[in-house]
Amino acid sequence: KNEVEQSPQNLTAQEGEFITINCSYSVGISALHWLQQHPGGGIVSLFMLSSGKKKHGRLIATINIQEKHSSLHITASHPRDSAVYICAVSKTSGSRLTFGEGTQLTVNP
Amino acid sequence: ETGVTQSPTHLIKTRGQQVTLRCSSQSGHNTVSWYQQALGQGPQFIFQYYREEENGRGNFPPRFSGLQFPNYSSELNVNALELDDSALYLCASSLDRFFGELFFGEGSRLTVL
Repeated sequence: KNEVEQSPQNLTAQEGEFITINCSYSVGISALHWLQQHPGGGIVSLFMLSSGKKKHGRLIATINIQEKHSSLHITASHPRDSAVYICAVSKTSGSRLTFGEGTQLTVNP
Repeated sequence: ETGVTQSPTHLIKTRGQQVTLRCSSQSGHNTVSWYQQALGQGPQFIFQYYREEENGRGNFPPRFSGLQFPNYSSELNVNALELDDSALYLCASSLDRFFGELFFGEGSRLTVL
């Protein structure tokens, strides 16, 4: 079993829909990262969380440390949100990341 | 724009050859990590450098080696290339080796024939 599990693996939505991507982890962490990867390959850091909730524009990330679970929400989704969203954790032993397999999001106009 | 640049962006090598990939981090970022991402999979940690010293290594053989320089640039070297080394190689830099926001480069896509 992977230390970081994401669901769903693939998600197709219509423009304007509210989207949720989930991440569960099984190890102690110092931080959880939500990352976005476009087809070209480059990765952009969206959020780094150690507790609570963060919001940036239409994106919201939450984490529940006790339940070892995090969610990424996208409100009013848009086709430009289409990308792979990756959950990754920094274990308590250092900043190296352990990645989930990613969620491929496609938002249709 | 993350301020982290990688070169080359794409390259093709043949089995048995050697390759050097380069990463230029933001000024002041004393920690750099390298990751390998095979097609359709999540990235896998190769190693991390902190202040020019290796500071942790993933499950990769010794033919994967690295260097970090005082000017915040770093290199990933792979010797005796194998077909399975074909992947996207990503570097990520941060201010802090334990708890810091990460800034990724665009990656170097290596194809081994």
